[in-house]
Amino acid sequence: GAVVSQHPSRVICKSGTSVKIECRSLDFQATTMFWYRQFPKQSLMLMATSNEGSKATYEQGVEKDKFLINHASLTLSTLTVTSAHPEDSSFYICSAAPGTGGRETQYFGPGTRLLVL
Amino acid sequence: AQSVTQLDSQVPVFEEAPVELRCNYSSSVSVYLFWYVQYPNQGLQLLLKYLSGSTLVKGINGFEAEFNKSQTSFHLRKPSVHISDTAEYFCAVRGRGAQKLVFGQGTRLTINP
Repeated sequence: GAVVSQHPSRVICKSGTSVKIECRSLDFQATTMFWYRQFPKQSLMLMATSNEGSKATYEQGVEKDKFLINHASLTLSTLTVTSAHPEDSSFYICSAAPGTGGRETQYFGPGTRLLVL
Repeated sequence: AQSVTQLDSQVPVFEEAPVELRCNYSSSVSVYLFWYVQYPNQGLQLLLKYLSGSTLVKGINGFEAEFNKSQTSFHLRKPSVHISDTAEYFCAVRGRGAQKLVFGQGTRLTINP
């Protein structure tokens, strides 16, 4: 149980275009979803936290107009990188938690590798 | 706020040898503690977690970790490693009642035959 999927697993796009990444919880309802960014050989950095039906909470330094997050249902969250540039190339990982806090564990997706040319 | 320090960026060991990956944390509130493993080009998989109760926590793949409150540590151990344990290991902490997970820098475990 507790499977999280991401789509696509890998995407290459031209500079200036927008890219949408989907994160789905397959066998549980995710009240809260998280989006992380990981640069090569580095740790995960939290970008934003989204609760179903409400606006995402972005971490300091993350541009909310560039990284649009939608959490419209209890099983789906999307991250859209708008007007992507080469410096946005990274590994994006989502996670989902079945509750709003407390003891619930975050379950991670397999990640999406974005390359902006 | 919480922070996590993984003291070793890389740990090379021989197959079937024991290994310990060190993790220290700081927090002004009580915390939950986690170890995750990341295989190349994959997401994170939960190895084990400490929420409360017994300070010795057993996880998957033969790993275990011990919560030491006085030393604010949560070191990960395995008595005998296998080639397949080669991966990146992340220690993470979350304040009780908070949503945010804070990760350490990661430790790359390399198993040599």
